Amino acid sequence: AQSVAQPEDQVNVAEGNPLTVKCTYSVSGNPYLFWYVQYPNRGLQFLLKYITGDNLVKGSYGFEAEFNKSQTSFHLKKPSALVSDSALYFCAVRDMDSNYQLIWGAGTKLIIKP
Amino acid sequence: GAGVSQTPSNKVTEKGKYVELRCDPISGHTALYWYRQSLGQGPEFLIYFQGTGAADDSGLPNDRFFAVRPEGSVSTLKIQRTERGDSAVYLCASKGQDNSPLHFGNGTRLTVT
Repeated sequence: AQSVAQPEDQVNVAEGNPLTVKCTYSVSGNPYLFWYVQYPNRGLQFLLKYITGDNLVKGSYGFEAEFNKSQTSFHLKKPSALVSDSALYFCAVRDMDSNYQLIWGAGTKLIIKP
Repeated sequence: GAGVSQTPSNKVTEKGKYVELRCDPISGHTALYWYRQSLGQGPEFLIYFQGTGAADDSGLPNDRFFAVRPEGSVSTLKIQRTERGDSAVYLCASKGQDNSPLHFGNGTRLTVT
């Protein structure tokens, strides 16, 4: 069965330190992977996607993600965290059966402490 | 251009009442999705429109829920005989061509008392 796992409910990072939010997936074929961020009382905002090409994908707000096929992972990273990065982060993979659906992770709450 | 617009932003209603939630997608986006989100959870798929037709309504929890998109643009999610368990944030998203990302509205927070 297709799935996305975000193994950490919450990640705490000190401001200025690098951050990583983990995501692993299970789909057949080549995955289309996405990261979204959700600030309080807002909808989800697209951060970045991997479709094909370079394994390191750069996105909005200085975030990047590394696609690792052998480890079936797509971890979100940022070299230097800001307090304003505190939010809920969702990883998603396109459902290979439907082509229009996304399979969502449960989300990771990122807390950046000053 | 303008993003996805959802109205109202908040709706409080009494158990048993009927509610309508509106979504105005990005102009030109043919794909439109409704999701439901409970606190601290990921989006739960409800229904997907391609143009005017509901291509997949398998996520609608029961027949109290219905959605329309009569002209292929604005969509309305309708909930009859609301129950307290319907309380959640209802998110709408639209999408352009195939591999483009979803664009979400800010959601409607529905509270059933």
